[in-house]
Amino acid sequence: EAGVAQSPRYKIIEKRQSVAFWCNPISGHATLYWYQQILGQGPKLLIQFQNNGVVDDSQLPKDRFSAERLKGVDSTLKIQPAKLEDSAVYLCASSPNRGGVYNEQFFGPGTRLTVL
Amino acid sequence: AQSVTQPDIHITVSEGASLELRCNYSYGATPYLFWYVQSPGQGLQLLLKYFSGDTLVQGIKGFEAEFKRSQSSFNLRKPSVHWSDAAEYFCAVTGGYNKLIFGAGTRLAVHP
Repeated sequence: EAGVAQSPRYKIIEKRQSVAFWCNPISGHATLYWYQQILGQGPKLLIQFQNNGVVDDSQLPKDRFSAERLKGVDSTLKIQPAKLEDSAVYLCASSPNRGGVYNEQFFGPGTRLTVL
Repeated sequence: AQSVTQPDIHITVSEGASLELRCNYSYGATPYLFWYVQSPGQGLQLLLKYFSGDTLVQGIKGFEAEFKRSQSSFNLRKPSVHWSDAAEYFCAVTGGYNKLIFGAGTRLAVHP
């Protein structure tokens, strides 16, 4: 079974530029997550999709970050314009929707963003 | 609000020595707790999880963790560390809607 795919793996941009990250979840997984992991910190959830609807985006800086999951499969996270403090690893995860109290999340390798 | 504290930022052990990584959580109800490992350039991999039942849970790669409600702790242990265990370890708790709340992580170095 293929894992969660992310691209690009690395990106360097200058502040005020725009950037986009792509994620393809495990086939059949209904739920998709984007996390931000700043150096020295644990991952922080930015947005959670259930199929193509947003479940939680309470920690997404909506003035500059946007995300979409068209057709309920792959997803794109965009930052426009980027700030220095956006330098981080952006992790995508997916989980099945089998009911119950928790469905395991599977993580992709992440995209390391450096903003200069 | 739910939170996770990992008091140790860095830990160094010798290969073959035992290991304990500390995790304390804050959660209003019965927590669902997790330990993940992250190797350089890799995504997070689930080591083990606790939902209910036996408070000592076994995971992959020879790791185990013990849930202690009285201490709000979920410490990770391994009796004999291998050089390949060098990585960053994250404790996490669920925050509803399948959401994970992570601690800041503990970076483990292993000396030969």
